[in-house]
Amino acid sequence: SQQGEEDPQALSIQEGENATMNCSYKTSINNLQWYRQNSGRGLVHLILIRSNEREKHSGRLRVTLDTSKKSSSLLITASRAADTASYFCATPTGEYGNKLVFGAGTILRVKS
Amino acid sequence: DTEVTQTPKHLVMGMTNKKSLKCEQHMGHRAMYWYKQKAKKPPELMFVYSYEKLSINESVPSRFSPECPNSSLLNLHLHALQPEDSALYLCASSQSWTGGLRNRDNEQFFGPGTRLTVL
Repeated sequence: SQQGEEDPQALSIQEGENATMNCSYKTSINNLQWYRQNSGRGLVHLILIRSNEREKHSGRLRVTLDTSKKSSSLLITASRAADTASYFCATPTGEYGNKLVFGAGTILRVKS
Repeated sequence: DTEVTQTPKHLVMGMTNKKSLKCEQHMGHRAMYWYKQKAKKPPELMFVYSYEKLSINESVPSRFSPECPNSSLLNLHLHALQPEDSALYLCASSQSWTGGLRNRDNEQFFGPGTRLTVL
């Protein structure tokens, strides 16, 4: 079963605009991770935020985490056509945190 | 080297065939994973190996048989598959966990995947 649910399912924006994706999860977590997947390819780890952090930045990425609401958001600023991809949140579960459970994903399309 | 490689990139097989998917990493990671991903869906965990031992099998049918010959290699042997097994198969690796300690930052590195079609 999916730990995280994401919205929107799909997002289409113009180059230069910001893109915001949201993720909700069900159980307590040690961290939450965001991955990007270009069409039909492997996933690339983008950023990890720990449960005791509220906000984290990496380049044009900004991630927030609200453990009281069990939700996270990923903001991509000044989007580029190359940002077109699927974005997944993921949470480690299981006794040793060794089972990564992915949300449904958001398909982002950036138009040039 | 932060790359996970997978071969082949594409595989077409009949339901009576036997084939294998291969995965390799040289990052010194001691945990390796197989995921299955259907179109427009998130990856779903199949197997986890830790220190070359199978630690998690997510109730995967026996027609999928994983093998970890050494710390760098992970195979997935396929036999008598069904058309519904057609999917993108992803391999990943990460630092493992030790003893009873949780691996708090289980960042996983993924390969490009094998696109499998079962006829």
